[in-house]
Amino acid sequence: DAGITQSPRHKVTETGTPVTLRCHQTENHRYMYWYRQDPGHGLRLIHYSYGVKDTDKGEVSDGYSVSRSKTEDFLLTLESATSSQTSVYFCAISDNLNTEAFFGQGTRLTVV
Amino acid sequence: KQEVTQIPAALSVPEGENLVLNCSFTDSAIYNLQWFRQDPGKGLTSLLLIQSSQREQTSGRLNASLDKSSGRSTLYIAASQPGDSATYLCVVRHTGNQFYFGTGTSLTVIP
Repeated sequence: DAGITQSPRHKVTETGTPVTLRCHQTENHRYMYWYRQDPGHGLRLIHYSYGVKDTDKGEVSDGYSVSRSKTEDFLLTLESATSSQTSVYFCAISDNLNTEAFFGQGTRLTVV
Repeated sequence: KQEVTQIPAALSVPEGENLVLNCSFTDSAIYNLQWFRQDPGKGLTSLLLIQSSQREQTSGRLNASLDKSSGRSTLYIAASQPGDSATYLCVVRHTGNQFYFGTGTSLTVIP
């Protein structure tokens, strides 16, 4: 299995608080992605990174920011959590555009 | 925009049967196609990766084919087992560094 770890695995937070999710990889892969998975919507891209300090928005980026200060870590921040951000968040990595993608085990976030 | 559809949405078969899951995509400009399984409450586990230049890939009881020109892929599972019960996702790596996810097939293998 690819070395990809998400933390925390579960979190409950209150509306209006900032939350940071971490994705850590040991594969030295260039590309990293954050997705959210919701019933009826499948997986939707939030943000992705194509290198250190290089990031771009996905289709559901509003209310989220990301940072990648080193190859192995990709952080997702919910600036002020809302109930609509209750979801399961997945991180994915890949080495280049032609190689296999690997997903983390997910973070279940509940905003109350 | 690339759209990825999987048929059937759900499938229930008795143990031991061979089965086929279907995936179709609308834009043939892809880098590759990857099949995953997802168990309830878990992440996505990679099963097979097919590059755009390849026609099929095999791993154990699994065989995946790709017909890029017609926008189709199939995942063949031989001699199904209860442990194969999961949701199977077809994921297309499109030009522009995007992944596009299929709608998923929920498979139940009955002992």
